[in-house]
Amino acid sequence: EVQLLESGGGLGQPGGSLRLSCAASGFTFSNYGMSWVRQAPGKGLEWVSGISGSGGTTHYADSVKGRVTISRDNSKNTLFLQMNSLRVEDTAVYYCAKVGTSGTNRFDYWGQGTLVTVSS
Amino acid sequence: DIVMTQSPDSLAVSLGERATINCKSSQSLFFRSTNKNYLAWYQQKPGQPPKLLIYWASTRESGVPDRFSGSGSGTDFTLTISSLQAEDVAVYYCQQYYSDSCTFGQGTKLEIK
Repeated sequence: EVQLLESGGGLGQPGGSLRLSCAASGFTFSNYGMSWVRQAPGKGLEWVSGISGSGGTTHYADSVKGRVTISRDNSKNTLFLQMNSLRVEDTAVYYCAKVGTSGTNRFDYWGQGTLVTVSS
Repeated sequence: DIVMTQSPDSLAVSLGERATINCKSSQSLFFRSTNKNYLAWYQQKPGQPPKLLIYWASTRESGVPDRFSGSGSGTDFTLTISSLQAEDVAVYYCQQYYSDSCTFGQGTKLEIK
């Protein structure tokens, strides 16, 4: 059974940093791209960043480019999102999502999410 | 970025009746070399993560009831629930994955009339 478990959310200060993690199990992690998708309170879904199975290719939404870094440790089946220069508008539930078998960014499994709150 | 626009924003349908949600993209999602439309539909219930329902515009994900169907091509797409059940109350999102920077529609809230 595929499982994705996010952690690392919490309260961050504007201008501060947070590192999110997503522990994956139930599939061959290195064979699949992964993404982070966020959802601000009461709002819709916003794709944040994606990474290929090998980790060699990454993509970022314009809203976070230059402030966040996606990475993965395939030996530990873990996905990361390093968030720097936090802004109030980064407040959201952050989901990690597994890319489907086609390799394109349709997401067939999602974690339960971790809440990031940016406030002074 | 490709902009996805859903209509309506909210919808109330009686149990057993048909529900239809529309999604329009700012550019074509049809990729000629694969002959596929790079469009997915998700269902999100309160307090839960999204769930993939439909991909390639019309292919049902494994385990999704056959009352859910997707149609359309190019820039105009539709999600149809043929006979609304109480458990279908949720917010529905379309998503384009044609570009590396995928984007979602704003969501359509489906309720029981």
